[in-house]
Amino acid sequence: DTAVSQTPKYLVTQMGNDKSIKCEQNLGHDTMYWYKQDSKKFLKIMFSYNNKELIINETVPNRFSPKSPDKAHLNLHINSLELGDSAVYFCASTRQGAGELFFGEGSRLTVL
Amino acid sequence: KQEVTQIPAALSVPEGENLVLNCSFTDSAIYNLQWFRQDPGKGLTSLLLIQSSQREQTSGRLNASLDKSSGRSTLYIAASQPGDSATYLCAAPSGGNTDKLIFGTGTRLQVFP
Repeated sequence: DTAVSQTPKYLVTQMGNDKSIKCEQNLGHDTMYWYKQDSKKFLKIMFSYNNKELIINETVPNRFSPKSPDKAHLNLHINSLELGDSAVYFCASTRQGAGELFFGEGSRLTVL
Repeated sequence: KQEVTQIPAALSVPEGENLVLNCSFTDSAIYNLQWFRQDPGKGLTSLLLIQSSQREQTSGRLNASLDKSSGRSTLYIAASQPGDSATYLCAAPSGGNTDKLIFGTGTRLQVFP
């Protein structure tokens, strides 16, 4: 069973479109994240949620809107996509305070 | 503000060599430090998590050490194998917040037969 699963794995779309990426974890964790990995492979935190509550919002444009319907799911919706949004987006989860982070396989977004 | 640096950026070694990857961090008020492995086109896999009270942690051929006073961690890989080829990243918490990890830029390792 996949612990942290993301869909879709690949997404190719035009500038200006709106798209969503979904994430689910079956580890019983209470904290979930979105990370962005750019073309230089630098991994940077975007958001974190604990028990459906937004905890971390790292100066991300408000075109990005995370939503956590329950503590096992964290989705990312992106409005008005721009070329610079092209990256791999990783979902991750942990049990708060435990430290060990578990990652999904990533969703590669390409904006044309 | 936590900053994490890894050297070298890339490393190419013949199979069988023992090697050391370095990670340094600027804010030593950390509760733990974590090492990950990333294969091309894949997500990150957690390798070792060292708590601040520990000086090292071992898993198979991997040994990670942590020296908070000097702001350094090393990942030692014994008897490297071609299957160890991947990018290795270390991550340290930011501002004492264990749930916000700051990642280094990684060391890309290639082990050739």
